[in-house]
Amino acid sequence: SQQGEEDPQALSIQEGENATMNCSYKTSINNLQWYRQNSGRGLVHLILIRSNEREKHSGRLRVTLDTSKKSSSLLITASRAADTASYFCAHPVGRRALTFGSGTRLQVQP
Amino acid sequence: KAGVTQTPRYLIKTRGQQVTLSCSPISGHRSVSWYQQTPGQGLQFLFEYFSETQRNKGNFPGRFSGRQFSNSRSEMNVSTLELGDSALYLCASSITGQGGTTNEKLFFGSGTQLSVL
Repeated sequence: SQQGEEDPQALSIQEGENATMNCSYKTSINNLQWYRQNSGRGLVHLILIRSNEREKHSGRLRVTLDTSKKSSSLLITASRAADTASYFCAHPVGRRALTFGSGTRLQVQP
Repeated sequence: KAGVTQTPRYLIKTRGQQVTLSCSPISGHRSVSWYQQTPGQGLQFLFEYFSETQRNKGNFPGRFSGRQFSNSRSEMNVSTLELGDSALYLCASSITGQGGTTNEKLFFGSGTQLSVL
């Protein structure tokens, strides 16, 4: 499966700052999802945004989707040390599988 | 509810051997999918099972196989291991959404870290 690209590949910020990660994809999609992965562990689903939505919020997370540019962004506001993790965007391929982006490694310094 | 459980957590094998990984999905979830994660290739879809049937398969050689049991538990098998099979193997379960989709919100296990020497 073709993977999307995420940028930046790595991001280091201070606690309390905002973190923004971007994702680009190549095909038409009906939804886009964001997942978090702590080092060496499984992924945790954060949020899903459908193709007819432009923005979605969940707690300190804000996701945007621009289907004309085939891109999405994830904003984490007021970052905490516990937000340190890798973040992946993913979109469906058919009805069964997901294609994941290359991920952004976020380091939040206390 | 208990989460997705994968066993074992770590495995060390040598080239040419075979390995079986196990996954117990969240109770009530009938779809189980498997992903391989490597530093070079990232996360790649292996296959998806539903009601003991493989419904979708990624671009992996036939050495990679799987099955699902009547209780939705799943196993994946890799035969004739190669060095390049070293990876974190992740299992995920999900419920069936609108239109029969099973890829709208996946619940992942902690993975099995396989090292092939």
